[in-house]
This record gives sequence, C-alpha cells and structure tokens, in this order.
Amino acid sequence: KQEVTQIPAALSVPEGENLVLNCSFTDSAIYNLQWFRQDPGKGLTSLLLIQSSQREQTSGRLNASLDKSSGRSTLYIAASQPGDSATYLCASPRVDSGNTPLVFGKGTRLSVIA
Amino acid sequence: GAGVSQSPSNKVTEKGKDVELRCDPISGHTALYWYRQSLGQGLEFLIYFQGNSAPDKSGLPSDRFSAERTGGSVSTLTIQRTQQEDSAVYLCASSSKTSGRYNEQFFGPGTRLTVL
Repeated sequence: KQEVTQIPAALSVPEGENLVLNCSFTDSAIYNLQWFRQDPGKGLTSLLLIQSSQREQTSGRLNASLDKSSGRSTLYIAASQPGDSATYLCASPRVDSGNTPLVFGKGTRLSVIA
Repeated sequence: GAGVSQSPSNKVTEKGKDVELRCDPISGHTALYWYRQSLGQGLEFLIYFQGNSAPDKSGLPSDRFSAERTGGSVSTLTIQRTQQEDSAVYLCASSSKTSGRYNEQFFGPGTRLTVL
C-alpha cells in the first residue's frame, strides 16, 4: 500500500530564495507522481506530473524530480515570490496503474516573506 | 475549456439532515473521484468512478455515504443523517485515460460542508 510523506510540514523563506520541497513514498513501483498547489479555502491546482519513466519535469520556475530507487521526489522553486505562498501537496496513485485514486502527503505550507 | 465544477460551494446543515453534493467533471473525462479534506487532516479518498460504475468504494466512511454518476458525467455524493464529524471540504477530481499525461487529476474548488 502506497504511503506518501512530506517534510517539513511548514517552511518560511525570504523572497528571492531558491527552495526545495520534499516528498517520500514507500512503494517504488510508482506509476506517476503529481505535485499540487492549494491556496487557503481553494481546491487543488495541478503543477507538475512526472511519469514513472521520467526523471524530472519543468514548468517555469518549478522543477520536479523523481527518484524511484530512493522513494523520493523533490519540487524545486527558483527565485521564490510572495505569490508562491501556499500549501504544496504531492500524490501518487494507490496502485501501479492509470486512473486510480491518489494517495496524498499532508503537504508543506510555504510562506514567502517579502 | 471549463474545469471541474462543484456545487454548492458552501453548505451549512443541521445534524441529522441529508445533503447532496454535486460534481461536474471536465467534459470527456471518464474517471471521477471524490476526496474529503478535514481540518488538520490530509486528503482522504472516498469513492472513484470509471464511467458510471464505481470499482472502488473503499473510502466511504459509513453506509450513510453514497454516490452515483449518470451519463458518464455528473456525479452526486449524498450524505444521509449528517453528523458533526462529516464537516469537511469535499473535493471532486476527474481524469482521462486517453490523455497523454495518464491519470493527471484535475480538481474542482470543493464544497465546504458544515454540520451544526
């Protein structure tokens, strides 16, 4: 059974700093891994999805990596801005298959201080 | 195109009443998921539809919870005899097996349910 963990639970950084958010998973037979952003009182916005066969994905200032052997994914945010403040969640399918429910970490709450 | 929509956005009800939550997935998405996010808790899977059938209902917390999907589109989550512990944000997501990014799930804004 897949389990997903995110550490730290909260992170505060000054504006302009580069930062890394961590995500760990227990089952290395991972189908894909998806990173989301959640603003207070809002739903989830998909940021990046890394397929099992990929090592990383990039979108603008965001870069997500996947290391199946170590059971880890990281989300790198370059030149952080106050608008990046949100909770970041990672998730993986429960089983090694497409179109199955996701297992979520509890998220990292990021605050970028101007 | 339009994203996942949910209604109502907020629902306040009294303990013991029934509530219905609605989800409109992205057009053409075959898979639809319901999750629950309670205060201080992570996202908890409730039920999943592929087309109109629900191959996985394992996350429904009790028999007071049920869901249906008709026409391979709209889904309704029903909670009977609501309890205070049902208070949470109920999130719906959809995905397409035919998309290049397999199982990428897109979420709606959620319904915040408060049971008094």
